[in-house]
Amino acid sequence: GQQVMQIPQYQHVQEGEDFTTYCNSSTTLSNIQWYKQRPGGHPVFLIQLVKSGEVKKQKRLTFQFGEAKKNSSLHITATQTTDVGTYFCAGPSNTGKLIFGQGTTLQVKP
Amino acid sequence: DGGITQSPKYLFRKEGQNVTLSCEQNLNHDAMYWYRQDPGQGLRLIYYSQIVNDFQKGDIAEGYSVSREKKESFPLTVTSAQKNPTAFYLCASSISAGGNYNEQFFGPGTRLTVL
Repeated sequence: GQQVMQIPQYQHVQEGEDFTTYCNSSTTLSNIQWYKQRPGGHPVFLIQLVKSGEVKKQKRLTFQFGEAKKNSSLHITATQTTDVGTYFCAGPSNTGKLIFGQGTTLQVKP
Repeated sequence: DGGITQSPKYLFRKEGQNVTLSCEQNLNHDAMYWYRQDPGQGLRLIYYSQIVNDFQKGDIAEGYSVSREKKESFPLTVTSAQKNPTAFYLCASSISAGGNYNEQFFGPGTRLTVL
């Protein structure tokens, strides 16, 4: 069945370093969504990418959607302790549900 | 305030008891979802509903049941047939289940512990 894979599973960085998580789908996606879950919290929608090759920025976060619409990345520049959490990518299946990646958990050392 | 509410936040039950988790939304969303999250794990879909009076099994439906009698409500029952029910349960909703711009809004979750 359709799968969405994320790497790495965990990442520890020093505050101020950059961070990137990668998302790969087994099938072409109509869109890709990114969510953030703070420790002890619930996932919160960050952004959706729809177009091939699309790049969107939210302050220090840069989201990319691959040309083939099968992969995506989230890059955080100069991490801060507030960036701590688990970042999930998700793509829609043809049955109307979202397929979530396993998530990348980011730890930031002050 | 618009959003999704789940209650209770923490729930303890004895093994062998059925338990029902509440999920209510006032966003006027058609689609609603139930996920299970285990420590350090991703989100696994239990059931979803695209419209009132209709629902579909997700990836791990065994031992769970749902109903969708009202648009705003999607309760989940964890039955005694569920072998490892202790987990964090998240409810979500979206405007619709398909198409673009169908981002999901999550409730705060219920942490269920079965003793």
